[in-house]
Parts: sequence; structure tokens; C-alpha cells
Amino acid sequence: RKEVEQDPGPFNVPEGATVAFNCTYSNSASQSFFWYRQDCRKEPKLLMSVYSSGNEDGRFTAQLNRASQYISLLIRDSKLSDSATYLCVVISGGSYIPTFGRGTSLIVHP
Amino acid sequence: EAQVTQNPRYLITVTGKKLTVTCSQNMNHEYMSWYRQDPGLGLRQIYYSMNVEVTDKGDVPEGYKVSRKEKRNFPLILESPSPNQTSLYFCASLRQGLNTEAFFGQGTRLTVV
Repeated sequence: RKEVEQDPGPFNVPEGATVAFNCTYSNSASQSFFWYRQDCRKEPKLLMSVYSSGNEDGRFTAQLNRASQYISLLIRDSKLSDSATYLCVVISGGSYIPTFGRGTSLIVHP
Repeated sequence: EAQVTQNPRYLITVTGKKLTVTCSQNMNHEYMSWYRQDPGLGLRQIYYSMNVEVTDKGDVPEGYKVSRKEKRNFPLILESPSPNQTSLYFCASLRQGLNTEAFFGQGTRLTVV
């Protein structure tokens, strides 16, 4: 089983839709969680950290479920500019080595 | 401006001709890493470095070398490039601690013919 797994998609949604991605991780000692966004052929950039209590940044909501070992990203009112690949990143306690998921592709169409 | 700088951005080379991709960060980060990204395979770690003179293999180290003689630089060396090393390469450095965050260079698109 891969350490960090994501559904590759693509998720094809109309503008204004709400879409959610999940990411599962296998190491129960994982301590830090993030969502990164990557546009085509560009470098990944931090979208948001994921906190234990869940957190929101505008239209984006991230949640962590430690019992089931997954994190989620919810995007409300999708925009065309949200089209990108979303990477889940997990860092295990002590090692500080980030493990990346393969990414979930989102396509928002008019 | 805090950044990770990779050079070159694009490179076409021939099989067997040694090349180096440079990576430099200005954030005094201890941890640096190299990844390659291929369609459908996501980011795969090549090598990483926890600090100066400390390097370790990642998931796909074969055919690559690295060095970490100083904190800011982490070059990736391909001694004898082959076509299967054609890929998009990213260097990253990691801010560790309370506000952990990985910062990526802009990427190097390498083609080996």
C-alpha cells in the first residue's frame, strides 16, 4: 500500500459546483498535513495546511480524520481558475520528510 | 524574496553527456530534496539532504548523484544521462518546525535524446 494515496481523477465539474477530494495515508505517526496546488508544468505551491480541528480559507475547507487516516479538501463555488492538480502532502513526526500523493486533477468547465 | 532557484529551466542533451542541474535556496533551510515528475507517476523523490554533507537516497536514485557542500546549494548530477531520465525535475527546500512548508523551484524540463 502506498504511503499517501489519492484518486487521480480527473474530476470534471461545472463552474459553481462543490467538489471534494480525499487523501489517505498509511503512517499513523504522521503529524503534518498539507494540500498543494500544481498548475500544468509548473511547480507545486502550498494551498493550505490541514489542522486537526479543520480549517477554512475562503472557498476552500480542509479537514483531517486521524481515526480513518485521511484528509480532505472541499472547494465550494468552483471557478475556472481552480483547474489544476491538487497534491496531498504528509509529513511524519521526527523525520520531517514530506511524502507526496500523486495528485488529483480538477477540471472546471463553463 | 524567499525562493528556490533552479537552472537551467530547459535542457536538451544527448545520451552519455554529463550534466548538472543547479539548485539554490536563500532561506537557510537545512532540508533539500530533488524530485522527478512523470505523467501518471506524480512526484518521486530522487535524493534528499538533511543538512550539509548529509545526503540520502530517495525512491528513484539510480543514475543520479547529488552533493551538499554548503547549505544553500544542492546540485543534481547526471553522470551519463539516458533517455529514461527525460522528465520534469523539481528541487525543493523545507522550512521545518512550527510552520512547516516545502518551497519548490520552477522546475527543469530535461530531454535526453
